[in-house]
Amino acid sequence: EAQVTQNPRYLITVTGKKLTVTCSQNMNHEYMSWYRQDPGLGLRQIYYSMNVEVTDKGDVPEGYKVSRKEKRNFPLILESPSPNQTSLYFCASSPDWDTEAFFGQGTRLTVV
Amino acid sequence: KQEVTQIPAALSVPEGENLVLNCSFTDSAIYNLQWFRQDPGKGLTSLLLIQSSQREQTSGRLNASLDKSSGRSTLYIAASQPGDSATYLCAVKHMNSGGYQKVTFGTGTKLQVIP
Repeated sequence: EAQVTQNPRYLITVTGKKLTVTCSQNMNHEYMSWYRQDPGLGLRQIYYSMNVEVTDKGDVPEGYKVSRKEKRNFPLILESPSPNQTSLYFCASSPDWDTEAFFGQGTRLTVV
Repeated sequence: KQEVTQIPAALSVPEGENLVLNCSFTDSAIYNLQWFRQDPGKGLTSLLLIQSSQREQTSGRLNASLDKSSGRSTLYIAASQPGDSATYLCAVKHMNSGGYQKVTFGTGTKLQVIP
């Protein structure tokens, strides 16, 4: 089944403790991206990747890192999480940047 | 700066009604516009993608139109069903002034279809 898989689905962590949210797609898509969704602000793009080893900042990249060492995986790294990073996170992929995007099920992160 | 607006924020209709959801964007230089639905606690499900060169796309009871010159897209849902209850989001892909690709989402319309 074609899908975008995020892990974990739910995570509660403490301020400053490094964490990684994984994202994997099995559709051989070149374009992958991360979003956060907050009430009243909608979805905002954090980072995106056009292909392996090619990443760029979205609208709200501060406090996040990403890597794209292989085509299928695009992990989101929070080196030192803070409470303002409490949010619902989505990973998405598409064959190319201007084609239909497919989303993962989301990761609800709480930083206390 | 591209801004995407969806009005109304919430809509409640009786089952069977035809309805229209609106999406407006301020910069007409877009590459495409995509409509999604989001169910509570779930991810986004792609409904329709309209490229900038297209005027409309159809899938089953859904029809999406795009008018770039006026900065508007509409999602038409025919014969609404309770299972259509969800939040509907539109997103535009565009380039910003720095030449970087961007995706801007609207804040959504929460639809409730009453049996």
